[in-house]
Amino acid sequence: DAKTTQPPSMDCAEGRAANLPCNHSTISGNEYVYWYRQIHSQGPQYIIHGLKNNETNEMASLIITEDRKSSTLILPHATLRDTAVYYCIVRVAMRYKLSFGAGTTVTVRA
Amino acid sequence: EAGVTQFPSHSVIEKGQTVTLRCDPISGHDNLYWYRRVMGKEIKFLLHFVKESKQDESGMPNNRFLAERTGGTYSTLKVQPAELEDSGVYFCASSQIARDTGELFFGEGSRLTVL
Repeated sequence: DAKTTQPPSMDCAEGRAANLPCNHSTISGNEYVYWYRQIHSQGPQYIIHGLKNNETNEMASLIITEDRKSSTLILPHATLRDTAVYYCIVRVAMRYKLSFGAGTTVTVRA
Repeated sequence: EAGVTQFPSHSVIEKGQTVTLRCDPISGHDNLYWYRRVMGKEIKFLLHFVKESKQDESGMPNNRFLAERTGGTYSTLKVQPAELEDSGVYFCASSQIARDTGELFFGEGSRLTVL
């Protein structure tokens, strides 16, 4: 699976949008972009995924660039409960081994 | 609907002892995975079951680790004998086969401390 690069940490103000970048310049055409997060002392939690189109669900939006070499996860109205480590993962469909990497530690401040 | 449950939540044992971790996946999920995070490191894949069969055990660190999933329901991960470097959090996850969205449902983890 392609390697991803994320900033190690970022802060966000409560109520504001949090934009989390991820670079995956070696992504292949059949690889999806997944986002998971791990809130302290809990198991990882799936957020969203996409192939080439932008995606939105009740938790977040995923914006993938046209060349698919980078993406941005958007938490539209960050709350204190969104403080977590966020992982951008590139994965081939039907391959179940996720490579988590170091992720981005997001701290939402009141 | 119950999520993935893991037991025990925390286990403290001495080097050389044996520990068995248990995972109950979400009902109807044929895929079951084990991951772990050892101190200061990234979350790493250990193995993947499809029903009772081991589909991929490439992440198992050595033969001191034995995973089973008899009957294709719950799974156990036994560490025997435990070493200091086995300390960490062991996560279990499950997913459906028919609906592969890539969404794995993780449990809260079992924290293992080897003294």
